[in-house]
Amino acid sequence: QQQVKQSPQSLIVQKGGISIINCAYENTAFDYFPWYQQFPGKGPALLIAIRPDVSEKKEGRFTISFNKSAKQFSLHIMDSQPGDSATYFCAASRGGATNKLIFGTGTLLAVQP
Amino acid sequence: GAVVSQHPSRVICKSGTSVKIECRSLDFQATTMFWYRQFPKKSLMLMATSNEGSKATYEQGVEKDKFLINHASLTLSTLTVTSAHPEDSSFYICSARGARGNTEAFFGQGTRLTVV
Repeated sequence: QQQVKQSPQSLIVQKGGISIINCAYENTAFDYFPWYQQFPGKGPALLIAIRPDVSEKKEGRFTISFNKSAKQFSLHIMDSQPGDSATYFCAASRGGATNKLIFGTGTLLAVQP
Repeated sequence: GAVVSQHPSRVICKSGTSVKIECRSLDFQATTMFWYRQFPKKSLMLMATSNEGSKATYEQGVEKDKFLINHASLTLSTLTVTSAHPEDSSFYICSARGARGNTEAFFGQGTRLTVV
């Protein structure tokens, strides 16, 4: 019930293409779903997050799509750039500053020029 | 700008010694901080939840006597790896939630620990 499943494990996209990463969760008590970007040797950086009361959130080239009934959410990176090459993690938690995040297994994205 | 600062970014120590890693929330008070360990090309593994003014809550399988956590103030939590061994070499990352009144989780820059 605590797991967050993430796919694919790795992804290669051509420059200008769309990168899509998917996550699925089981615990219906989760109400906060962030995505993180991590470069080698650095801590994760928050990209975008969504709550279950909306089905989509967009910030620049990054969009989260959320399907509450299917318990799935995905990250779309439009117009992917070589600088987007990194590892992406989805996560889920209950809201509140004291609740821990449950992370997906990560997706290594490579954007080819 | 960064809201969680972690220090040092890299440390090399000899086997059997102890190493302390600091995690500071820069512009907010964090009653709870989280410590993670990350192996190469793997996800973040939560080690413990650090609570200001009380004992940390450790995840199953994490040795609390090896990984000492102290949360002495609302802006500082420390992780001490005691009697370090080469198998403790890893990337350690702290996190805090509650910045700017919301529940976003921000992460420190991480500490690369190498035990030789």
